[in-house]
Amino acid sequence: EPEVTQTPSHQVTQMGQEVILRCVPISNHLYFYWYRQILGQKVEFLVSFYNNEISEKSEIFDDQFSVERPDGSNFTLKIRSTKLEDSAMYFCASSPTESNTDTQYFGPGTRLTVL
Amino acid sequence: AQTVTQSQPEMSVQEAETVTLSCTYDTSESNYYLFWYKQPPSRQMILVIRQEAYKQQNATENRFSVNFQKAAKSFSLKISDSQLGDTAMYFCAFMKWGDDMRFGAGTRLTVKP
Repeated sequence: EPEVTQTPSHQVTQMGQEVILRCVPISNHLYFYWYRQILGQKVEFLVSFYNNEISEKSEIFDDQFSVERPDGSNFTLKIRSTKLEDSAMYFCASSPTESNTDTQYFGPGTRLTVL
Repeated sequence: AQTVTQSQPEMSVQEAETVTLSCTYDTSESNYYLFWYKQPPSRQMILVIRQEAYKQQNATENRFSVNFQKAAKSFSLKISDSQLGDTAMYFCAFMKWGDDMRFGAGTRLTVKP
């Protein structure tokens, strides 16, 4: 069964460094998402992406964040200058339909630790 | 804004017993979707069950079923014949058409042998 994959599974970085989290959505899906989950807290929406542009973003998704679909398969989340509070689990998800009304399938997550 | 409330931070159940996890939500929308996701210790998010608001029939997936009460804005998850592998965090989520997904705070379920 097709699945969303994410790399790396765990990333450790120093505060102020740039990180890129990578996701490969399910191949025929059209909508892509990033969520984060700070340890012990709820899953929070960051951004959705459709047709090569941001569809929606939350207040968390400020100027230090960016997303990109550099080729036909990868979907990346870049954090320009990481802060301690960016330490979290980051989940990528994808959805098959154009209308964003279908089920989102989550990847296994990348655990980001900022030191 | 839509909010999702899970009022039970933790629950436990004996193996083979039945347990019900509660979820309520607040919305003025009439068309939306509701989900239950399972997050085991690996922290992967696994879809358990999905319900379309326009469907009156409660969704069922093997041992998992929901009690969807649209008027009461309630969406509880029933797990029958609980298994040790059901131990996980369970998140209720709401998504209106064309919008992002909103999650509840989660319920930690422990299945005891």
